[in-house]
Amino acid sequence: TQLLEQSPQFLSIQEGENLTVYCNSSSVFSSLQWYRQEPGEGPVLLVTVVTGGEVKKLKRLTFQFGDARKDSSLHITAAQPGDTGLYLCAGHKTGANNLFFGTGTRLTVIP
Amino acid sequence: DAGITQSPRHKVTETGTPVTLRCHQTENHRYMYWYRQDPGHGLRLIHYSYGVKDTDKGEVSDGYSVSRSKTEDFLLTLESATSSQTSVYFCAISDYGTRQLGSEQYFGPGTRLTVT
Repeated sequence: TQLLEQSPQFLSIQEGENLTVYCNSSSVFSSLQWYRQEPGEGPVLLVTVVTGGEVKKLKRLTFQFGDARKDSSLHITAAQPGDTGLYLCAGHKTGANNLFFGTGTRLTVIP
Repeated sequence: DAGITQSPRHKVTETGTPVTLRCHQTENHRYMYWYRQDPGHGLRLIHYSYGVKDTDKGEVSDGYSVSRSKTEDFLLTLESATSSQTSVYFCAISDYGTRQLGSEQYFGPGTRLTVT
């Protein structure tokens, strides 16, 4: 059983469109991170959110941590081909020694 | 980019043979991790280390062992490889453990292992 479920699993959109990726759980997390992974490489951290309701912006990317700290979303405005990749959320639970990764969303932005 | 290398990058081996994967870092980070990545499962932690000779199990540790004799090297061993261990293996490092909010993990390029 996966602790963090991401949706959609696959997403293919045209350049310039907006999109939202969701990361959901029934568990509470003390912090949540979003990573992007490109083919043949390891994941790279995009952002960390630690407070319920927190919103962080990274250029065209907006990240939100749910009020109850059980879910998060990633919104991309005016997607570009360079946004193509696998997006992974990862949560830290109080008392645990490891991050729990989501199932991933594979995004393809078509020029 | 964080200085993390993994070797080999690709390996094909037969069921029942031992396999050792190596992770080498030049960042002097205290924590090192081994993950496996499989479709539909994301990344799952196998083992991690919080110092030289200090290691602990992750959520999918069965069939794997690790060793860390130097700060810069973290070895993952499959004592007797099975087809279910076919996967992409990633090493990661961090300055702080995951108990520290916002601690970032830096990942290596991965090793693709196929067990036939």
